[in-house]
Amino acid sequence: AQKITQTQPGMFVQEKEAVTLDCTYDTSDPSYGLFWYKQPSSGEMIFLIYQGSYDQQNATEGRYSLNFQKARKSANLVISASQLGDSAMYFCAMREGDTGGFKTIFGAGTRLFVKA
Amino acid sequence: ETGVTQSPTHLIKTRGQQVTLRCSSQSGHNTVSWYQQALGQGPQFIFQYYREEENGRGNFPPRFSGLQFPNYSSELNVNALELDDSALYLCASSLEMENYNSPLHFGNGTRLTVT
Repeated sequence: AQKITQTQPGMFVQEKEAVTLDCTYDTSDPSYGLFWYKQPSSGEMIFLIYQGSYDQQNATEGRYSLNFQKARKSANLVISASQLGDSAMYFCAMREGDTGGFKTIFGAGTRLFVKA
Repeated sequence: ETGVTQSPTHLIKTRGQQVTLRCSSQSGHNTVSWYQQALGQGPQFIFQYYREEENGRGNFPPRFSGLQFPNYSSELNVNALELDDSALYLCASSLEMENYNSPLHFGNGTRLTVT
């Protein structure tokens, strides 16, 4: 079963507007971490934002915020005031632990296109 | 601080051959993870090393193996290469394995092409 689901293969947004990238996750572990990463066409993976499973408030990092709805198991990324440089692949990821150790698993990604 | 570095950047191999990919962790990081990313897909977890021992493995066959050295650098070895092994291989280091809030710091990857 998919642990991380990103249902939007591609998204378009007008420059300077806000955009929400969806992510749902599945885990039975009460302790976990949720992350968003950006991958430009150059290939490097860039960490954007983190949300812990026990965090009461939604995480924010500059223009990035994470809309965390624990009961719905969703962790959507909101990018405000989109810029042309935001065009990239975006991956939602979850870090969880089990008897085999901790690991971070990724969703299939959403490609964001920012239009001038 | 020194970031994660991977070598080589590109590699072309023939089906059936063996390959070794290398990774140097970010300074101070003791955990290394390897991922396979096929074109247009998300990274797939191969395995993770912590203090020189494998600690977590994804759904990859035994011909994918690895090592972590005392300086926390790491190798990924793939035997009996298949065409489907063609992908971007990403190495990532993190500060502490046990911390849920430790983000992964990625290298730029090795692009492997199997012909």
